[in-house]
Amino acid sequence: SQQGEEDPQALSIQEGENATMNCSYKTSINNLQWYRQNSGRGLVHLILIRSNEREKHSGRLRVTLDTSKKSSSLLITASRAADTASYFCATPYFGNEKLTFGTGTRLTIIP
Amino acid sequence: NAGVMQNPRHLVRRRGQEARLRCSPMKGHSHVYWYRQLPEEGLKFMVYLQKENIIDESGMPKERFSAEFPKEGPSILRIQQVVRGDSAAYFCASSPPGPANEKLFFGSGTQLSVL
Repeated sequence: SQQGEEDPQALSIQEGENATMNCSYKTSINNLQWYRQNSGRGLVHLILIRSNEREKHSGRLRVTLDTSKKSSSLLITASRAADTASYFCATPYFGNEKLTFGTGTRLTIIP
Repeated sequence: NAGVMQNPRHLVRRRGQEARLRCSPMKGHSHVYWYRQLPEEGLKFMVYLQKENIIDESGMPKERFSAEFPKEGPSILRIQQVVRGDSAAYFCASSPPGPANEKLFFGSGTQLSVL
């Protein structure tokens, strides 16, 4: 069954603007990860946030985690055309090694 | 350090034939995962293997599908008697020894088309 669900399903913004994507999940987790997938390619790991962390930064990426609401957000600042991709959140399923992925947000950056 | 290698990149099969998808994990990685992705959808977990062991195959159909990760050589996902519904992108991922759920490295996938 699907553990995570991203929102919105699709997002189009102008280059230079910030993009925010949200992820909701169902069960308790020990970490949550975000991945990017360019069209026709495999997924690339972006960032991991642990359950005892509330916010994490990596370059232009900022991730927040609210375990009480079972939700996370990914913020991409100063977007670039190269950020056009699908973004997925992933969580371990019931604490085991199996990572389950959400349905993704398709982000389009308009030059 | 080569990444996760999958081959073939594209595979065309007729209904009833067998499809064999190969995955060589990154050097030093001992965990291998297989996922299936339909167009415009997320990835669906199929199976998780370590060398010579299937750890979790809860996402794999009970019939026609099998997976292995032998002591030597790549991991193989085998689909017997393929049907049109098997058409999808199949991704392999690997992770190093240690906590297996902290970072996966993905291959570029095999696009299976069943005619």
